[in-house]
Amino acid sequence: DTAVSQTPKYLVTQMGNDKSIKCEQNLGHDTMYWYKQDSKKFLKIMFSYNNKELIINETVPNRFSPKSPDKAHLNLHINSLELGDSAVYFCASSQGPRAGGNRNSPLHFGNGTRLTVT
Amino acid sequence: KNQVEQSPQSLIILEGKNCTLQCNYTVSPFSNLRWYKQDTGRGPVSLTIMTFSENTKSNGRYTATLDADTKQSSLHITASQLSDSASYICVVIASGGSYIPTFGRGTSLIVHP
Repeated sequence: DTAVSQTPKYLVTQMGNDKSIKCEQNLGHDTMYWYKQDSKKFLKIMFSYNNKELIINETVPNRFSPKSPDKAHLNLHINSLELGDSAVYFCASSQGPRAGGNRNSPLHFGNGTRLTVT
Repeated sequence: KNQVEQSPQSLIILEGKNCTLQCNYTVSPFSNLRWYKQDTGRGPVSLTIMTFSENTKSNGRYTATLDADTKQSSLHITASQLSDSASYICVVIASGGSYIPTFGRGTSLIVHP
């Protein structure tokens, strides 16, 4: 009964390839996010969707394209992968459109997808 | 530029001991501050949230403090357990707009038996 689940957990691919990461939440939240955790362990928000509508796009290259078919799913497609894309990508959800969650609804994170581009 | 700095970067303690982790921030305007616990290979899990008017908030053996004047927060862990070994991340949310969070790098805590 995992609340936020993302697949795959590990993804190893070569430069130039296109890959997707899937995310699903069963918490009934209306907002979902993609975060990137770099090698220095900093987490940074990439995108957020509220009720399937994009509300945050933090200057992410357009090679990254999120897609939200419904409130419970937010997938991340990455084109033409580069070495610098190697990181751990976290999906998260919360109730309400505030990127950091709100008082009664913190961010609920998935367990991450470790992407390695060779 | 909004920044969150945490110290120490890493900490090793013996089981049963107490410890305190620090967080300094320059995020403005301030909305709220959260502490998250991130186990290895897992996503962060929220421990506490503190708003401007709150000085102390407890969650079991975890007690967070906030001094909004000096822009400092601390997380105190009492009677540490092996399961406390994790990274503890301070997150400060700016008010206005989409309330973008700024994450600290985290403090890596190792509890030895």
